[in-house]
Amino acid sequence: DTGVSQDPRHKITKRGQNVTFRCDPISEHNRLYWYRQTLGQGPEFLTYFQNEAQLEKSRLLSDRFSAERPKGSFSTLEIQRTEQGDSAMYLCASSFGLDRLAKNIQYFGAGTRLSVL
Amino acid sequence: KQEVTQIPAALSVPEGENLVLNCSFTDSAIYNLQWFRQDPGKGLTSLLLIQSSQREQTSGRLNASLDKSSGRSTLYIAASQPGDSATYLCAVLTGGGNKLTFGTGTQLKVEL
Repeated sequence: DTGVSQDPRHKITKRGQNVTFRCDPISEHNRLYWYRQTLGQGPEFLTYFQNEAQLEKSRLLSDRFSAERPKGSFSTLEIQRTEQGDSAMYLCASSFGLDRLAKNIQYFGAGTRLSVL
Repeated sequence: KQEVTQIPAALSVPEGENLVLNCSFTDSAIYNLQWFRQDPGKGLTSLLLIQSSQREQTSGRLNASLDKSSGRSTLYIAASQPGDSATYLCAVLTGGGNKLTFGTGTQLKVEL
């Protein structure tokens, strides 16, 4: 068990460019989550997948953002036409899809820090 | 809409002191509450999870309590050490069990 892996760790891009981040969850976890964290704030929920199905999206996820989990394993988060306000840490988490939701622990990766110049 | 508040925002204590971090939430319809640790520029490490039916959980020098009806949780750290310096975040699981709502964190510094 290598934990949740995110790539790249850091990304610097120019405004208007497209960027894509990858998340590899813990192998036996069927749920995968994306969060965004800006400086001095707690993480905010963006979206989550159960296997390959994207079941919920936050209003924070504008139409410039798209997330996929094509085979129910790794996931990608793409941001098109980046804006300076997109600068943040993008965190991925995974968990078992337990019947007992009270025991649902989300395990987080180290995050991808995006800087839009 | 669930809102989570953490007090204090920052705390500086001398090594060896016992301390309490506070977390409050507005909607008591939660599945569980988790306390996380975050080191600068890093991801989140889960410290303790308290299920909605539980009152407290302990791990080593850490003890977390939950009073769901009043919307409050505390994280007690005994005999603090410089290695405990980090930001501590609490989060509640809501939204059909799919969404963690986080507080803004307490930045802890333990000085020698």
